[in-house]
Amino acid sequence: SQQGEEDPQALSIQEGENATMNCSYKTSINNLQWYRQNSGRGLVHLILIRSNEREKHSGRLRVTLDTSKKSSSLLITASRAADTASYFCATDRSGAGSYQLTFGKGTKLSVIP
Amino acid sequence: GAVVSQHPSWVICKSGTSVKIECRSLDFQATTMFWYRQFPKQSLMLMATSNEGSKATYEQGVEKDKFLINHASLTLSTLTVTSAHPEDSSFYICSAPQGRYEQYFGPGTRLTVT
Repeated sequence: SQQGEEDPQALSIQEGENATMNCSYKTSINNLQWYRQNSGRGLVHLILIRSNEREKHSGRLRVTLDTSKKSSSLLITASRAADTASYFCATDRSGAGSYQLTFGKGTKLSVIP
Repeated sequence: GAVVSQHPSWVICKSGTSVKIECRSLDFQATTMFWYRQFPKQSLMLMATSNEGSKATYEQGVEKDKFLINHASLTLSTLTVTSAHPEDSSFYICSAPQGRYEQYFGPGTRLTVT
């Protein structure tokens, strides 16, 4: 069953604006990851945040994690048309060293030039 | 970064036939690989964990006799969809872990069963 739930399911913004996507999960995690998927393609890993971290940055990406609320957010600043894709959060199964990921339903981001 | 390939990238087959999909780690060894299925406009669902030298572990609800997995070497895992039916049409993606948390995904295989 899907653990992660993203919202919004779809987001449309103008180029240059910021895009924020949220993810909630249900069980304890070791880490949470965000992935990007262009239409009909494989997944590209964006960023990983560990359970003991609260915020992480990578370029134009900013991820937050609130383990008390079991939620995470992904912020893309100064969006570009090339950012148009689906974004998924993924949580690892409980247990150290587990690589099995449970994916959320995803947010489809459209950046209008 | 590490590269995972899949072959074929897309395949069309007739109902009742079997289709084999390959997943290769090109520049690293993977004792474990994962197979996911993604229906249109939906998320990825883990189907099974492929283990080199031992039997695959299937997720609840996934028929192991229908989705045969063989992890033949440290760089190759295959998924065979046996007696395919139209409802098996989907996007199949494999992944392979490397390092402590990193996981690399293949580009996916789109299967259409007519």
